[in-house]
Amino acid sequence: NAGVTQTPKFQVLKTGQSMTLQCAQDMNHEYMSWYRQDPGMGLRLIHYSVGAGITDQGEVPNGYNVSRSTTEDFPLRLLSAAPSQTSVYFCASSLQGELRSAFFGQGTRLTVV
Amino acid sequence: TQLLEQSPQFLSIQEGENLTVYCNSSSVFSSLQWYRQEPGEGPVLLVTVVTGGEVKKLKRLTFQFGDARKDSSLHITAAQPGDTGLYLCAEGNTGTASKLTFGTGTRLQVTL
Repeated sequence: NAGVTQTPKFQVLKTGQSMTLQCAQDMNHEYMSWYRQDPGMGLRLIHYSVGAGITDQGEVPNGYNVSRSTTEDFPLRLLSAAPSQTSVYFCASSLQGELRSAFFGQGTRLTVV
Repeated sequence: TQLLEQSPQFLSIQEGENLTVYCNSSSVFSSLQWYRQEPGEGPVLLVTVVTGGEVKKLKRLTFQFGDARKDSSLHITAAQPGDTGLYLCAEGNTGTASKLTFGTGTRLQVTL
C-alpha cells in the first residue's frame, strides 16, 4: 500500500528553468493538495483539487500551475523557477469530509540557484 | 486568513519529563487536528478534536480543545526520544482535510 508518492525527492534547478513535481495516490481519495514548507512558516497551501478536472488556488499560488486529469495524479508545475521557490513541497490527499485525515507524501526538497 | 500561533517554537527536554505545547487561533476553530512530522517525512495525523472542552488521549499524549474552541493543547507525559519531531496544529476551516491552515509548529527534542 504505497499511499501518496512524490517524485523526485530532491531537485536542484537554475533560475528560469521549468519542472514538474509529481504526486500520485492509490487510495482513491477525492481531495488532493500541494503545500510548501519553509523554516518558521509551517506548511502553506499552494493549490488544491476536490476531484478530477477541478482545481483551485490556495494561499500562495503565484508561480505554480496544477491540473487534475485523473483521480490518482496531481502534478505541480513550476514554469520559471525563482530562488524564492526554494522549499520543501508536500502533496497530500484525503477523503471528502472535514474530519478526515490528510495523508502526506514524503516531500520534494527543491533548491533554485 | 486564520492565524494559528504555536508555542513554544522549540523545546529540548530529557527523557521522562512532561511537556505541554499550545496552539492558539485568532478566531474560532471549526475543528482542529494535530500532526507530528519527523525529519525527512510528511506530517502524520495524531488526532482530530471537534467539540469545545473535548479531551482525547493517545497513550502518553493528551489533547485538549478549549471551551471557546480558539485554543488547543498537547500534553506529553514521560517523554521518550521517539517523541522527537515537529508538532503541528492545523485547522480545516473549509470542510476539507486537504485545505488546511497550519500553525508554525513546535520542534521537540527529547534526549536520553
